[in-house]
Amino acid sequence: ETGVTQSPTHLIKTRGQQVTLRCSSQSGHNTVSWYQQALGQGPQFIFQYYREEENGRGNFPPRFSGLQFPNYSSELNVNALELDDSALYLCASSQDSFTDTQYFGPGTRLTVL
Amino acid sequence: GENVEQHPSTLSVQEGDSAVIKCTYSDSASNYFPWYKQELGKRPQLIIDIRSNVGEKKDQRIAVTLNKTAKHFSLHITETQPEDSAVYFCAASNPGNQFYFGTGTSLTVIP
Repeated sequence: ETGVTQSPTHLIKTRGQQVTLRCSSQSGHNTVSWYQQALGQGPQFIFQYYREEENGRGNFPPRFSGLQFPNYSSELNVNALELDDSALYLCASSQDSFTDTQYFGPGTRLTVL
Repeated sequence: GENVEQHPSTLSVQEGDSAVIKCTYSDSASNYFPWYKQELGKRPQLIIDIRSNVGEKKDQRIAVTLNKTAKHFSLHITETQPEDSAVYFCAASNPGNQFYFGTGTSLTVIP
């Protein structure tokens, strides 16, 4: 398995609440990307952080935000949760960019009721 | 933005036969094309990738081909084995630091 970890494993929230998901990248990996994977679908790119700055974003609204810290950890924050936000959230770390191999974490399963 | 289409959505082959999965992309600036294997309940794992300056790449039983003019790329698995059964995703990334996955192909290798 990769050295990428995520917490928590599972999470249940209600509509309108806020949630913070955490990821710990492999040591030395400057880039972290976050993805949303709905059941039976491919991962959807949310955004990418490189050395604590967001430097790429997919088609997700501003209520999806993130942070990356110097210790190779990062967070995905989602405000005003909607039922459609229920999904597996994956983070992936890579050396410097997408063209370096991305190593995925095990994911956090978020259920919004 | 980029649009990555993947076909077929499901594929069944006999053990030992070959499997081919095809993807097309829309953004001509896309320059990196990885393929991931995701087993049920597990994380995606990179199995092979190709960059836009290369037309073909092979790693044992797995090969990927890229046609930049037609904007399509394909995954070829030869001598399939039951442990190859999984969902396979193609993906494309562009210099704008965006990354797009295909919709996935569920491959079943029948012993």
